[in-house]
Amino acid sequence: NAGVMQNPRHLVRRRGQEARLRCSPMKGHSHVYWYRQLPEEGLKFMVYLQKENIIDESGMPKERFSAEFPKEGPSILRIQQVVRGDSAAYFCASSTSSGSLYEQYFGPGTRLTVT
Amino acid sequence: DQQVKQNSPSLSVQEGRISILNCDYTNSMFDYFLWYKKYPAEGPTFLISISSIKDKNEDGRFTVFLNKSAKHLSLHIVPSQPGDSAVYFCAASYNTNAGKSTFGDGTTLTVKP
Repeated sequence: NAGVMQNPRHLVRRRGQEARLRCSPMKGHSHVYWYRQLPEEGLKFMVYLQKENIIDESGMPKERFSAEFPKEGPSILRIQQVVRGDSAAYFCASSTSSGSLYEQYFGPGTRLTVT
Repeated sequence: DQQVKQNSPSLSVQEGRISILNCDYTNSMFDYFLWYKKYPAEGPTFLISISSIKDKNEDGRFTVFLNKSAKHLSLHIVPSQPGDSAVYFCAASYNTNAGKSTFGDGTTLTVKP
């Protein structure tokens, strides 16, 4: 049973470009969460999605950031017109709807570098 | 306002001794607490959790203690092993917001052989 998969693992973008980060949850998991980790800091919640629904996006910046979890395919975190401050590690996690929502299984992360 | 705080950025212990990692929180609505372990270049791995109706939860070498009146929890690892060297994150959540965990900034544990 594969764990949470994220790709790419490393992404380099120039200022102003778009970044697309993908997350495939564990098999059987229908809840996806995105977190961002800045250097020397903890993980900061961004958004919580179920299939085709955004449940909580209270941690998402108001502009340039969007997330989706379509009926088919991975969850996508999209950052438009990236700036240097977007450089961070972005982690995706998933959980099962039948088990505890609290215990989330994390992917290896995507490290975004904006030059 | 940081709702979950891990005041010690780092901790170093000798192999075989006890490691105690601490975490404080400010939001009294939190009712579920988790510890995650993270190695470099990997995502966090769930380690152990505790509900607010308990004051202790044990799993092998790992025990989490919760003091609700002090809004404090701690993770005890005994005996510590070199493979336990990692960053440990404390996280908290509450029932109506179960999908959203609030993390501390982490404590880097180094276990010396």
